[in-house]
Amino acid sequence: GQNIDQPTEMTATEGAIVQINCTYQTSGFNGLFWYQQHAGEAPTFLSYNVLDGLEEKGRFSSFLSRSKGYSYLLLKELQMKDSASYLCAVLDSNYQLIWGAGTKLIIKP
Amino acid sequence: NAGVTQTPKFRVLKTGQSMTLLCAQDMNHEYMYWYRQDPGMGLRLIHYSVGEGTTAKGEVPDGYNVSRLKKQNFLLGLESAAPSQTSVYFCASSAPGGGYNEQFFGPGTRLTVL
Repeated sequence: GQNIDQPTEMTATEGAIVQINCTYQTSGFNGLFWYQQHAGEAPTFLSYNVLDGLEEKGRFSSFLSRSKGYSYLLLKELQMKDSASYLCAVLDSNYQLIWGAGTKLIIKP
Repeated sequence: NAGVTQTPKFRVLKTGQSMTLLCAQDMNHEYMYWYRQDPGMGLRLIHYSVGEGTTAKGEVPDGYNVSRLKKQNFLLGLESAAPSQTSVYFCASSAPGGGYNEQFFGPGTRLTVL
């Protein structure tokens, strides 16, 4: 079966750094996406990785290791507005997105 | 540009009733999707379309039907609603490209079936 694992909830402090991990087992791999979803709102795109390594985009970075079936999203200089759920999704061999349940990130002052 | 819009935003149905959810996008995207999101679970694909006049089943298609008569619209129908269909429904669209392109989501429809 296909499986995407993420921690259910994480807590971090404003101004700090947090790393949200995602491990996956899917039938094929055509890339990994990270989306942000604020409570009661729609998901919005953050990043896409298809090759191993780190992609940096401002305060957010995403890392991929295909051999380990592992990715992480790194958020630096945390702000209160970063309180949201972070969704990991893998594009499988049928070019369908398989979604994780999401990690709820709580930022404390 | 409005992006992706969904109608209605909220709805309460009784078991056995029918309804249609409307999704519209103004980005000229070829691909459109319907997902449901339930607590503790990832988004699950119900149906999708890769172009006007075409539809395909996703992971959880039972109990739902769809139509894509116009490129900009994607309709999701529930013929006989069941309590198990209580969920938040999201529509999304993307440019063609084998799924590599980011998906743009609508604001969601919160459906309760009593």
